[in-house]
Amino acid sequence: KAGVTQTPRYLIKTRGQQVTLSCSPISGHRSVSWYQQTPGQGLQFLFEYFSETQRNKGNFPGRFSGRQFSNSRSEMNVSTLELGDSALYLCASTQSGGISTEAFFGQGTRLTVV
Amino acid sequence: AQRVTQPEKLLSVFKGAPVELKCNYSYSGSPELFWYVQYSRQRLQLLLRHISRESIKGFTADLNKGETSFHLKKPFAQEEDSAMYYCALSGGTYKYIFGTGTRLKVLA
Repeated sequence: KAGVTQTPRYLIKTRGQQVTLSCSPISGHRSVSWYQQTPGQGLQFLFEYFSETQRNKGNFPGRFSGRQFSNSRSEMNVSTLELGDSALYLCASTQSGGISTEAFFGQGTRLTVV
Repeated sequence: AQRVTQPEKLLSVFKGAPVELKCNYSYSGSPELFWYVQYSRQRLQLLLRHISRESIKGFTADLNKGETSFHLKKPFAQEEDSAMYYCALSGGTYKYIFGTGTRLKVLA
């Protein structure tokens, strides 16, 4: 069974630009969550999607948005990039999104904003 | 507020010594607690969860609701245990709240 796949693995963008990251969950998994990982803050929750609906959102500005498609693939978009958005963005999928469900993580997309 | 605190950024122990990675949480209801681990150049992966009450790779963790703690323990550390460990809480809101992580270094 293929794991969670995130593309691209690395990105370099300029301040003010926008970026779209992609996540393909494990086959059969319907819940996809996104996290921002930085050395000082650890992993911070961005949002979670289940069956194309956003069920929960973290404390990030509106520049961060996401969506989920009918095949459960998810995209995350960040507009008007700031230097502080430089981070590793992780995607995780779970089968049903239940609270006791193990989350399977992708390898992440490393975004560098210059 | 929901919060997970891992007070140690780095923990260094010698091979064969006991290990305890601390995790304290703040949550008003009945949380689900997890430990995730990230080995060098590998993905973040589940190590264990409190509801399973299992021992994985020699690690155990007991949920102490009175002290709101979920410390990870292993009696004899091995070099391959060197990794980044994250304590996480899930409180029924379809998200994990992670601590800032503790880097464990097991010295030969």
